[in-house]
Amino acid sequence: NAGVTQTPKFRVLKTGQSMTLLCAQDMNHEYMYWYRQDPGMGLRLIHYSVGEGTTAKGEVPDGYNVSRLKKQNFLLGLESAAPSQTSVYFCASSRSGSGEAFFGQGTRLTVV
Amino acid sequence: GNSVTQMEGPVTLSEEAFLTINCTYTATGYPSLFWYVQYPGEGLQLLLKATKADDKGSNKGFEATYRKETTSFHLEKGSVQVSDSAVYFCAPAGAGSYQLTFGKGTKLSVIP
Repeated sequence: NAGVTQTPKFRVLKTGQSMTLLCAQDMNHEYMYWYRQDPGMGLRLIHYSVGEGTTAKGEVPDGYNVSRLKKQNFLLGLESAAPSQTSVYFCASSRSGSGEAFFGQGTRLTVV
Repeated sequence: GNSVTQMEGPVTLSEEAFLTINCTYTATGYPSLFWYVQYPGEGLQLLLKATKADDKGSNKGFEATYRKETTSFHLEKGSVQVSDSAVYFCAPAGAGSYQLTFGKGTKLSVIP
C-alpha cells in the first residue's frame, strides 16, 4: 500500500547543480502537487498538475520546472540550485475535486 | 485566492488538557475546509474535513465546525495525549477543490 512515494529522501547539492525529484502515486489520482516547507512559512505550492500532460504554476514557481508525462509520476526539476532552495519538498496527490490530498514522506534538500 | 490565519505556536499542554487551535480564512465562495496533521519526520495527513456550513468534522477525538458567519474552522480536542504532539495545519480548498492553501502550522507539544 505505497500511496505517494518520493525519491530521494535526502540530498545535498552544490550551488548551480541540477537535480530532479521524483514523485510516484499508485492511487490513480488526477491531481498532483509539489510543495516546499520552510520554518515559519508553512507549505507553499510550487507547481501542480490536474492531469497527465498538464502543469500549472503555484505560489512560488521560480527556479523550478515540472513534468507530468505519466499520470502516476510528477517530476520536479531544479536547473541551477541556489541556497534559497534549501527546504523540505513534499509531493501530494488527490482525486479530482476532493480536496483531500495524500502526501509523500518528503525530500530534505540542502544547497550549499 | 484563499488565505488562512492560524493560531501562532508553539503550544505546550499537559496530558488530558483541552485543546483549541484557532483558524480563520478568507475565500471566494464556500470552500471545503480541512485540518491536516504532520507527525515528526513525516508528511502531512488528513485529520478531518467539512464541506459545507455548519458541518462538523471529527476524527481521533478532534473536532472542528465550519462557521460560515465567522469564516472560522477552529480545531478542538477535549483531552489531549502525548501522541497528539505534532504540527497542525488548517487548509481551505480552492475552486474545484484542487488547490489547498495551508496555514503556517501550529506546533503542539503534549507533556506527561
